[in-house]
Amino acid sequence: DVKVTQSSRYLVKRTGEKVFLECVQDMDHENMFWYRQDPGLGLRLIYFSYDVKMKEKGDIPEGYSVSREKKERFSLILESASTNQTSMYLCASSLTGIQPQHFGDGTRLSIL
Amino acid sequence: AQSVTQPDIHITVSEGASLELRCNYSYGATPYLFWYVQSPGQGLQLLLKYFSGDTLVQGIKGFEAEFKRSQSSFNLRKPSVHWSDAAEYFCAVGLTGTASKLTFGTGTRLQVTL
Repeated sequence: DVKVTQSSRYLVKRTGEKVFLECVQDMDHENMFWYRQDPGLGLRLIYFSYDVKMKEKGDIPEGYSVSREKKERFSLILESASTNQTSMYLCASSLTGIQPQHFGDGTRLSIL
Repeated sequence: AQSVTQPDIHITVSEGASLELRCNYSYGATPYLFWYVQSPGQGLQLLLKYFSGDTLVQGIKGFEAEFKRSQSSFNLRKPSVHWSDAAEYFCAVGLTGTASKLTFGTGTRLQVTL
């Protein structure tokens, strides 16, 4: 089975901090994704990557950046955390092409 | 732009009753369609997918879904719901040629009464 591991289940940070969320997958998937999930809004794509060092903006990239230095690892960075970035963050990975995405268990991030 | 609509925010059914969760999509080409389930505190788990072929697809946990092109729908069904099916369900549409990006609906929360 595919395993997507997010480094933290719960995280509390302060406004203005630089925050790193880490995601690792163990199935050699080309594609990796970061979503945020908010009640009533479903999942919204922040960034995705289709290869090492390659990235594309999703629907809500403002205030975020990403890094993919190795194929198995995809990091989401909040450059200067704000309270409106309090949310559940989900990482996913997939093979290339139209393939199902496999999700981690999520990181619930609170910005105080 | 593509979109996915799940018109029911919250549904309550009795254990043993049948279930149908609605999903409508808006997309110009033949869609790739998915249903995911999310239990509390967990990530999303794939229930089933439709890429092509038979419009009735079977998934895990006894779920099935039917693709109806004329209605732009991909409704999820289960003949007899179990209490453990209480969760949030997401429909998603895949976009061709864009690194398997998915557009998700806003979800339907299922409550099961005993």
